[in-house]
Amino acid sequence: DGGITQSPKYLFRKEGQNVTLSCEQNLNHDAMYWYRQDPGQGLRLIYYSQIVNDFQKGDIAEGYSVSREKKESFPLTVTSAQKNPTAFYLCASSMEARTNAEAFFGQGTRLTVV
Amino acid sequence: AQSVTQLGSHVSVSEGALVLLRCNYSSSVPPYLFWYVQYPNQGLQLLLKYTTGATLVKGINGFEAEFKKSETSFHLTKPSAHMSDAAEYFCAVSSWNNNDMRFGAGTRLTVKP
Repeated sequence: DGGITQSPKYLFRKEGQNVTLSCEQNLNHDAMYWYRQDPGQGLRLIYYSQIVNDFQKGDIAEGYSVSREKKESFPLTVTSAQKNPTAFYLCASSMEARTNAEAFFGQGTRLTVV
Repeated sequence: AQSVTQLGSHVSVSEGALVLLRCNYSSSVPPYLFWYVQYPNQGLQLLLKYTTGATLVKGINGFEAEFKKSETSFHLTKPSAHMSDAAEYFCAVSSWNNNDMRFGAGTRLTVKP
């Protein structure tokens, strides 16, 4: 079955550590996105990528980094510079940006700083 | 820049009652509009979308939405609420000249027996 797989589902991080959230899709989509979800704030865009080896910052990129070395994969690293990383992180993909294509979402990763 | 405003962070209805979730958008070009549903600790699932053409859009689970350009609105409705409709609903906007999709803050729907 085609879809987007995020792992792990739950992640615990100690303060000062970097962690990487995995996002893989087998939908052959060009565009991929990372959103952060906090209660009452909806989804805020962290980074997005329209094509392999290219990505752009979203509204809240500080303290995060990404890579897009393969079309199928778009991992997100939460660095120690991110002051409040506890949140629900959602990865999405769409056929291509700048179209009427909808986004398909993974099941999310809940990150907690301990 | 595009944006979406969802009026009402919480909506409560009785089972069998009309569901109305409000969404207003801002876009300098013709928008593409979407409604998504999210169940607890899960990703988002597409309910319906408007791109061009017919302004009344039907989606899954009996939901529909009407695009009203004059009111810059895209409200979501369902004639009769079911208990299983209890979830969080997000309105989103994109367009041909934007590389991303913008979401509203969400509306949590509660359905009372």
